[in-house]
Amino acid sequence: QVQLQESGPGLAKPSGTLSLTCAVSGDSISTNYWWSWVRQPPGKGLEWIAEIYHTGSTKYNPSLTSRVTISVDRPNNQFSLRLTSVTAADTAMYYCARVVHRGSYFHFDYWGQGTLVTVSA
Amino acid sequence: QSVLTQPPSVSGAPGQRVTISCTGSNSNIGAGYGIQWYQQLPGTAPKLLIYGNTNRPSGVPDRFSGSKSGTSASLAITGLQAEDEADYYCQSYDSNLNGYVFGTGTQVTVL
Repeated sequence: QVQLQESGPGLAKPSGTLSLTCAVSGDSISTNYWWSWVRQPPGKGLEWIAEIYHTGSTKYNPSLTSRVTISVDRPNNQFSLRLTSVTAADTAMYYCARVVHRGSYFHFDYWGQGTLVTVSA
Repeated sequence: QSVLTQPPSVSGAPGQRVTISCTGSNSNIGAGYGIQWYQQLPGTAPKLLIYGNTNRPSGVPDRFSGSKSGTSASLAITGLQAEDEADYYCQSYDSNLNGYVFGTGTQVTVL
């Protein structure tokens, strides 16, 4: 059974940097899947942030691309998110997820439980 | 600014059938990209309910079904149960954004 677990500080300061890691178990991060970050502000909907393949190929949400970096750590079977210049609008539950690419179908089949990050001084 | 629009809420009595619409455009649903549906119970992570427009992962009851036509898609829940009270999101790929998009979300209430 594939499991994903997010970790990182639950608090970030305005104008600072948010850094999160997603540990993957039950599957190698180097298989034929992509790995993504999705966030959800309190009481609001889901927003895709970025995804990465084990080769290092990346895709970013155009609305966040200038502030986001996603990276992969194959030896430790994990991937990470870095978001700079954070504001209160970045306060959200952050989820990591596995992404299946199948022709013109792309779906998130396994999700972490999420980690809440609050941006506050 | 979601590019997939859903009704904010739908409701139904136990045993009834409800449907949730997801309206997109020619850069996502209309372009042939698959539609997925996720169920998010209160305080939990989203769970994949439907993928590739109509397919159910193992373990998802056949009370849940998906369909797609043109630039829209729908999720139907038949034989509504109390445990179906949750938020539901559609999701696809958008060629203009070159990334994944989620619907605005629909809250299902069982009366």
